[in-house]
Amino acid sequence: QKEVEQNSGPLSVPEGAIASLNCTYSDRGSQSFFWYRQYSGKSPELIMSIYSNGDKEDGRFTAQLNKASQYVSLLIRDSQPSDSATYLCAVNSNFGNEKLTFGTGTRLTIIP
Amino acid sequence: EAQVTQNPRYLITVTGKKLTVTCSQNMNHEYMSWYRQDPGLGLRQIYYSMNVEVTDKGDVPEGYKVSRKEKRNFPLILESPSPNQTSLYFCASSLGHSVLAFGSGTRLTVV
Repeated sequence: QKEVEQNSGPLSVPEGAIASLNCTYSDRGSQSFFWYRQYSGKSPELIMSIYSNGDKEDGRFTAQLNKASQYVSLLIRDSQPSDSATYLCAVNSNFGNEKLTFGTGTRLTIIP
Repeated sequence: EAQVTQNPRYLITVTGKKLTVTCSQNMNHEYMSWYRQDPGLGLRQIYYSMNVEVTDKGDVPEGYKVSRKEKRNFPLILESPSPNQTSLYFCASSLGHSVLAFGSGTRLTVV
């Protein structure tokens, strides 16, 4: 079983709709959870971090964490073509070490 | 501008020829790390450093070396590159709480 799992996609969403990205993780001791966006040929850039159960909103982005079910999700409202990218879920499971374990990413395409 | 700088961006080399990929950050971060990214495997940590002169193996350290003589620099060394080290490499640094800032990447091809 992979430590961090994501549906690889591609996920196609019409412009203006809500894109929903999901991620599950295996280590119940995980403390910190992140969503990175990666455009083709570019480096990952952090878009959301979440540390406690519940929802965290930042503009059009909402991260949701459920530690009991070991999943974290990212919602993108009012999707724009510029949101087309690969979204990487990352988890920190090592207290005292900044190491992140990444999922393989979900490729999102926003259809105009 | 706060950034992580990697060089070179692209590199084609031959099997067995030693190479170094440089990484430098100007944010005074203590933690730095190297990842490689391969299709279907995602980002995997190669080595990390918690501070100057403190380095440790990540998940895929075989065939790589690192050093941390100064806080800002964390070079990745391939003593004898092999074709299975063809990959996209990222350097990253973090001030804390696992929030990583990535360099722009180095695409390495070993023939």
